[in-house]
Amino acid sequence: EVQLVESGGGLIQPGGSLRLSCAASGFTVSSNSMTWVRQAPGKGLEWVSVIYSGGSTYYPDSVKGRFIISRDNSKNTLYLQMNNLRAEDTAVYYCARDRNSGPPGAFDYWGQGILVTVSS
Amino acid sequence: DIQMTQSPSTVSASVGDRVTITCRASQSPSTWLAWYQQKPGKAPKLLIYKVSSLESGVPSRFSGSGSGTEFTLTISSLQPDDFAAYYCQQYYSYWTFGQGTKVEIK
Repeated sequence: EVQLVESGGGLIQPGGSLRLSCAASGFTVSSNSMTWVRQAPGKGLEWVSVIYSGGSTYYPDSVKGRFIISRDNSKNTLYLQMNNLRAEDTAVYYCARDRNSGPPGAFDYWGQGILVTVSS
Repeated sequence: DIQMTQSPSTVSASVGDRVTITCRASQSPSTWLAWYQQKPGKAPKLLIYKVSSLESGVPSRFSGSGSGTEFTLTISSLQPDDFAAYYCQQYYSYWTFGQGTKVEIK
């Protein structure tokens, strides 16, 4: 059974850093593209990063230069390093699996979500 | 960037009703269009991918259609479990979501 479990969220001051983890089971994180998606309170969904099976990474402009996605194949875990956090980064963060291993696809499995609150 | 716009923002419906949600793209995502259901406090759930392909385990009352820049999610007979928010997503150029449509009890 495929499962994704996020951890590492919490309250952080503006300008601070936080690292989210997403432990995967039931499949190998390096075999699919893996993404992070966030949802601000009461708002819609926003894609924030992807790491392709080949290792390439991409980000939208809203987080480019501040967020870094990575994976540890030995731990079968996905990470999101978030630096220079802003109030507008406050959201529930989900890790999600792309159902494709090649070209971009839809997200077939999601974690339960982890709340990140950026506030002084 | 491809922008996705859903309508309506809210639909009020009764059990048994046919519900249609529309998603318009700022440019064509080809067939790379998905729909998700999200309930409060839960992660989104994939319903449909590639415009009209039903994800495994999703009831057949859900269907997707469309082409070009206009796409539709239809629930043929609304069930109590279907009251939720629905999002379209394009994955032709990275990923962007519509702003969501809430299906509420009339």
